[in-house]
Order: sequence, then structure tokens, then C-alpha cells
Amino acid sequence: GAGVSQTPSNKVTEKGKYVELRCDPISGHTALYWYRQSLGQGPEFLIYFQGTGAADDSGLPNDRFFAVRPEGSVSTLKIQRTERGDSAVYLCASSVWGLASNEQFFGPGTRLTVL
Amino acid sequence: DQQVKQNSPSLSVQEGRISILNCDYTNSMFDYFLWYKKYPAEGPTFLISISSIKDKNEDGRFTVFLNKSAKHLSLHIVPSQPGDSAVYFCAAIGAAGNKLTFGGGTRVLVKP
Repeated sequence: GAGVSQTPSNKVTEKGKYVELRCDPISGHTALYWYRQSLGQGPEFLIYFQGTGAADDSGLPNDRFFAVRPEGSVSTLKIQRTERGDSAVYLCASSVWGLASNEQFFGPGTRLTVL
Repeated sequence: DQQVKQNSPSLSVQEGRISILNCDYTNSMFDYFLWYKKYPAEGPTFLISISSIKDKNEDGRFTVFLNKSAKHLSLHIVPSQPGDSAVYFCAAIGAAGNKLTFGGGTRVLVKP
């Protein structure tokens, strides 16, 4: 069956530009998560959706970052006025519900490079 | 302040021997712990988990041990196989939360 997919797989942009990263979760999964993994570090939580609403956005680093999930399925992470420090792999995960015991299935990530 | 730490960035082990990966945490509100495995250019994949009410969970070649009083967990892989070569992340989750807090990872190399 189809897993979590993310597009694009790679994105190179210039400092100051706007980017959108897309995540297609596993069908039927109500919970969706975004994480960011910088080089040599573990993934860091950004935001969690339960259905269409952002249940926890405490990990978003600043107001340049925003995410939506308008129909409770596909999600888009939006980054305005990109900075070189935003360069990282952005991972999306989904789970059946948002329970701790529900396995989070990860996509392959989008590697963002800000020049 | 890292709430989950993996102090060994890398580990090299001979095929057939035991791999032991360690993880320490500081947040006493964590009550569910997981290990993820990651190959290059792929997302992390779930390996094994343990609830804080247990001290051991076993799944085939993989065993996770939890010492709550020491806030320490470990993953044992035995016997290690070349296909186990990957980066392993320890992660924790709180009772009321859903977000995973990850350690920095340990790169394991299993030599044939």
C-alpha cells in the first residue's frame, strides 16, 4: 500500500524566497506531523494536525513558518522569506490517531537548501 | 536543552555480535519510548517501543530495556547483521502529547 509521500524530494531556493512543501499522508490517517531534521541531528517537531486543525504548533520556530491541512488529508508547509538556517530535511509523518501508541509513519522527506 | 540524548554518535560492530545503543532522557513526563531506524534518503521507520510501565520489550532480534529511575533506555540487537547498518534514533513521547522528541542518533556499522 502507499506510504506517506512528500514533494518535492529536493528544493533549492534563494534566500528571501517563499517555498511550499507538500505531504500526502497514508489514507485514513487523521493525525499528521511535520518535523525538521538538520544535519547531524535528530528530527525536531514542528506542528501536529488532528484532522483539519493544528492541535499543536509549538515547534514552529517563528512566524515565517505556517502549515495547513484544509481537507484533513494533504498538508502544505509554507516558509516565507527563507533564510540559510532553514536548510534542512523536512519530514512528514502520519498516524491513525494521535495517540502515543499509534505508530507514526514517516515520508522520505524534502531536502530544502537555501542559498 | 536536549531532553533526549544519545551520547554515542557512532558504533561499529562485527556481524553476529551484539549491538548496544544507549539513550538518556531528562523529562520525567515522558512515558512512551520508541526506537526508529533510518537509512539514507529515507524517512525513519519504527523499530520497537516500550511503555513506561514495562522494563523490557522484545521483538525478534531487538530488545529494548527501560530503567525509569535512571531515565535510561537501551536497544540491544543480537545477532547484528550487515543490513542493520543505519542511523538509530531514540524517541520519547509524553502521556498527553503526540509529538516525538528525538535524540541525535547513533550511526551503526555492522562489518561482515
